[in-house]
Amino acid sequence: ETGVTQSPTHLIKTRGQQVTLRCSSQSGHNTVSWYQQALGQGPQFIFQYYREEENGRGNFPPRFSGLQFPNYSSELNVNALELDDSALYLCASSVTGTSYNEQFFGPGTRLTVL
Amino acid sequence: KQEVTQIPAALSVPEGENLVLNCSFTDSAIYNLQWFRQDPGKGLTSLLLIQSSQREQTSGRLNASLDKSSGRSTLYIAASQPGDSATYLCAVNGGTSYGKLTFGQGTILTVHP
Repeated sequence: ETGVTQSPTHLIKTRGQQVTLRCSSQSGHNTVSWYQQALGQGPQFIFQYYREEENGRGNFPPRFSGLQFPNYSSELNVNALELDDSALYLCASSVTGTSYNEQFFGPGTRLTVL
Repeated sequence: KQEVTQIPAALSVPEGENLVLNCSFTDSAIYNLQWFRQDPGKGLTSLLLIQSSQREQTSGRLNASLDKSSGRSTLYIAASQPGDSATYLCAVNGGTSYGKLTFGQGTILTVHP
């Protein structure tokens, strides 16, 4: 069974640029959630995708957007990058429709905005 | 709005000690609670998940308890080892947002030989 994978591992961008991060969910999982973790902080929920639609969003501006594909993989897009967007971006996959709903995380993408 | 607090923020213990990490949350209407381990710069590894109807879960040297009515969970680590050194995060699933995890700030654990 393949776990959650993310690409790329590291990324360096400059302020104002756009970035796309990718996530492949664990086999059999139908839901992908994205989290942002600033240094020394706990992860913060960005949004969740289920059946290719956004299914809940945290306190993040619209320049954070996402997609989920029919194979349940997902992308996180961030436009007009700001210095404060520098963080570890984590993707988690799970199964919606069960009470168990354990979330499994990928290794993360480290984004640095200069 | 769900808020999660972890105490202590950091803990340093000698190898072999038993220890307890604490987690509290403000909204008791949860589906479940997960404990994670995070090594520096890495992703999260799920350690234990406790359903809202359960009181505790055990895996090896780890035992997690849940008191939903008081909004508290503890993670007990028995016979700690240097390899246990990591950040431990508590996350609550539920309240008004099924599937959305609300995390605490974490406890940084150092186990020295």
